[in-house]
Amino acid sequence: GENVEQHPSTLSVQEGDSAVIKCTYSDSASNYFPWYKQELGKGPQLIIDIRSNVGEKKDQRIAVTLNKTAKHFSLHITETQPEDSAVYFCAVMDSNYQLIWGAGTKLIIKP
Amino acid sequence: NAGVMQNPRHLVRRRGQEARLRCSPMKGHSHVYWYRQLPEEGLKFMVYLQKENIIDESGMPKERFSAEFPKEGPSILRIQQVVRGDSAAYFCASSPLTPGPGGEKLFFGSGTQLSVL
Repeated sequence: GENVEQHPSTLSVQEGDSAVIKCTYSDSASNYFPWYKQELGKGPQLIIDIRSNVGEKKDQRIAVTLNKTAKHFSLHITETQPEDSAVYFCAVMDSNYQLIWGAGTKLIIKP
Repeated sequence: NAGVMQNPRHLVRRRGQEARLRCSPMKGHSHVYWYRQLPEEGLKFMVYLQKENIIDESGMPKERFSAEFPKEGPSILRIQQVVRGDSAAYFCASSPLTPGPGGEKLFFGSGTQLSVL
C-alpha cells in the first residue's frame, strides 16, 4: 500500500523567511496531493492541493510543487507570518481513494 | 452554513465504559469519514460512511468499535469497553461528493478528545 513520509518533523523559521516542507510517497499511481494546516485544538483545514497532471500550484504566499518521477512533493510558504505557526500535514490519495497522511510538521515562526 | 460539528469536545471515560462520539456533517454533505489521531502523529483512517451505509471500515478495529450514519441525525462512532489505548483525538470529516476525481476535498470538525482513565 501507499506509504507517506514527511520531513522535517519540526521547522523553526524567522518571521518573514520562507519555509519548505517535503513529503515522499511510494505508489506511482497516486494522483492527488493535498496539504492541510492544523491549528491547536482544531481539525485540519485544506490549504492547497495539486493533481498529478500539474507540476506546481500557487495561492498567494503558499505554493506546492510535485515531482512525479521522484515521487515527492513540497509545500512552500513565503514571507512567513506568526499566524502560519501550526502543524502541517501532507496527504496522498491512494488507488482506493483513501487519504494516507504524513506524520506532520510543526512550524514555528520566530518573531 | 455551519461547519462540521463534533461533540463532545472532550470525553473522559473509565476503562470498560462506552464512548459515543457524534458528528454532524456540513449541510448538504452525505459522506462522512472518521479519523483517529495520536499525539505527534498524522491522521489514521477508520471508516467511511454514507447515509445508512458503511462503505469502507477497513481502518476500524474489528472488536469494540462501530459506526453508523442514520437517515436522520448525526453520525455516531461508538467504542465499547474502552481501554487506555483508545485515548486519542477522533476527527470527523464530511464531503458532498463520492471519493474520486473532484470529490477529494474533506472538511473537518474540531474533533473529540477521548481520555480513558
